[in-house]
Amino acid sequence: KQEVTQIPAALSVPEGENLVLNCSFTDSAIYNLQWFRQDPGKGLTSLLLIQSSQREQTSGRLNASLDKSSGRSTLYIAASQPGDSATYLCAVEMDSNYQLIWGAGTKLIIKP
Amino acid sequence: GAGVSQSPSNKVTEKGKDVELRCDPISGHTALYWYRQSLGQGLEFLIYFQGNSAPDKSGLPSDRFSAERTGGSVSTLTIQRTQQEDSAVYLCASSRRSGSSYEQYFGPGTRLTVT
Repeated sequence: KQEVTQIPAALSVPEGENLVLNCSFTDSAIYNLQWFRQDPGKGLTSLLLIQSSQREQTSGRLNASLDKSSGRSTLYIAASQPGDSATYLCAVEMDSNYQLIWGAGTKLIIKP
Repeated sequence: GAGVSQSPSNKVTEKGKDVELRCDPISGHTALYWYRQSLGQGLEFLIYFQGNSAPDKSGLPSDRFSAERTGGSVSTLTIQRTQQEDSAVYLCASSRRSGSSYEQYFGPGTRLTVT
């Protein structure tokens, strides 16, 4: 059974710092991995999707990497801003079906 | 363009009543998903529709839950005889399951409170 773990559960850093959020999964037979952000009271916003054959994806100040064999992904946020404060979720889509298996999220606070 | 929309945004109901939650996916998206996010817990897959194929209902927690998708577009999630443990945010997502883009786009959710 696939399990997705995100560390840390919460993180608070000063504005301007670079930071890394971690996601690990137990079953490497994934189809893709997605990073989302969730703002309080709002839905989920897709940030980056990495296909199983890819190593990384970049969008602006965000860079997500995938090491499928070791079951790890990282989300790197450069030059953090207070607007980056949100809960960040990673989810994996399995080869065998189209369900997303979710981590519990990392609550990120960027202090001005 | 328009994103995924859900209605109502909030629903308060008494235990034992039935509720219907609606999802309008992005036009042209053939895949539609329902998830549940309970307080203090992660997201939980409920059901998946893809085109005209039989839906994947493997995530539905009990037979009180059902969903349908009419005309390959709008979907309704129905919860019969609601229980307090059904209180959660119900999220709908859609995706274009062709080409290279499989990203799931989420609606704002329906917050269900069962009293």
